[in-house]
Amino acid sequence: QLQLQESGPGLVRPSETLVLTCTVSGVSITSSNKYWGWIRQPPGKGLAWVGSIFYGGNTFYNPSLKSRVTMSFDTSRNSVSLRLSSVTAADTAVYFCARDLGVHYGNRYYQSGSFDYWGQGALVTVSS
Amino acid sequence: SYELIQPPSVSVALGQTASIPCGGNRIVSKNVNWFQQKPRQAPVLVIFRDSDRPSGIPERFSASNSGSTATLTISRAQAGDEADYYCQVWDSDAWVFGGGTKLTVL
Repeated sequence: QLQLQESGPGLVRPSETLVLTCTVSGVSITSSNKYWGWIRQPPGKGLAWVGSIFYGGNTFYNPSLKSRVTMSFDTSRNSVSLRLSSVTAADTAVYFCARDLGVHYGNRYYQSGSFDYWGQGALVTVSS
Repeated sequence: SYELIQPPSVSVALGQTASIPCGGNRIVSKNVNWFQQKPRQAPVLVIFRDSDRPSGIPERFSASNSGSTATLTISRAQAGDEADYYCQVWDSDAWVFGGGTKLTVL
């Protein structure tokens, strides 16, 4: 059974870098042929896509966050990480990691935004 | 930037059919995904690629996409369907979510 679990500090100071890890169990991320995404949700508000990454392939970031976001894999921990720099109070949110069901054409894999497995979410508060 | 417009709330009587619209410029040309989110839980994918249902999602959930409006339809609404529903599409190098619709089952 595929499971995702976010982890990281619950409190980050303004101007610092937010770092979250999504540990995946039940499948190897290096051989999954899937995109893995981060989606966030400010308290009481709607969903907002942060970015998606494919092992050995493309990375897509929300243009509104692109200058501050980095996503990467840690294969030794079967995990995906999110780094968001220069945070402000506007970055306070529950951060979810999720697997993208994707689309497969020939020998190429594409993201589809169909996030079918999600972690429980991690609340990150930006405050001094 | 592309906008997806959803009504903040929709109500439906128990056992009746609920329709949740999602408006966007020429949305018919895009693949629409729908997510259900209950309080303090992660979202759940209920519809992908306009009208496909993931395994485990009841047939009561269906969707269509035409012109400038995509619609999620929930037949025979149950108390357990009460949740926030979000539509989502890809546009201009980003996945865009609608603002969400709170479904109340009366």
